[in-house]
Amino acid sequence: GDSVTQMEGPVTLSEEAFLTINCTYTATGYPSLFWYVQYPGEGLQLLLKATKADDKGSNKGFEATYRKETTSFHLEKGSVQVSDSAVYFCALSDNTGNQFYFGTGTSLTVIP
Amino acid sequence: GAVVSQHPSRVICKSGTSVKIECRSLDFQATTMFWYRQFPKQSLMLMATSNEGSKATYEQGVEKDKFLINHASLTLSTLTVTSAHPEDSSFYICSARDAQGARTGELFFGEGSRLTVL
Repeated sequence: GDSVTQMEGPVTLSEEAFLTINCTYTATGYPSLFWYVQYPGEGLQLLLKATKADDKGSNKGFEATYRKETTSFHLEKGSVQVSDSAVYFCALSDNTGNQFYFGTGTSLTVIP
Repeated sequence: GAVVSQHPSRVICKSGTSVKIECRSLDFQATTMFWYRQFPKQSLMLMATSNEGSKATYEQGVEKDKFLINHASLTLSTLTVTSAHPEDSSFYICSARDAQGARTGELFFGEGSRLTVL
């Protein structure tokens, strides 16, 4: 069945460092891909999404490109800030829109 | 984007009591809502899918008699933890899909409810 595999954390970076969080997926058909962010003590917020191959989702300096050939949707940011400290979840929605799958989450801590 | 509101955000109760958590879609209609449970430093565990006007669909291993789900309207789903015990202490999160977003499958999440059972 469909699934999402996400880089395990925790990840600790210095401020202004480059961030990559890897995410690969397994799916039949053409899923939609998402990155959600969860700040401490809060629910999940959509960070970005891509609905078809080669789409690039971007928001708040974060980017991820839907790569069908490598079945990946890696999250990147060129210069992280302390305020980016959170847990990041990669997610997939199957092409029926009825099923939603989450990765295990990656905790990011950015230190000044 | 669409807004999903959850209430209460925090609740503390005594063992043996029941607790109700509400999940509302504020600016869209949600025929389907989802309830998740999240343990500390872990991912989300889907508990059940709540369908407006019909019985919820529970994931394997989730006790439907303990976690009662009611989806009485297109904007409200409730999760009631019955006869709560300390092991039920957790962070519960609801989500909903806007019918307009059905094709992309985007989910909108509530703020979460932290339940502590003493």
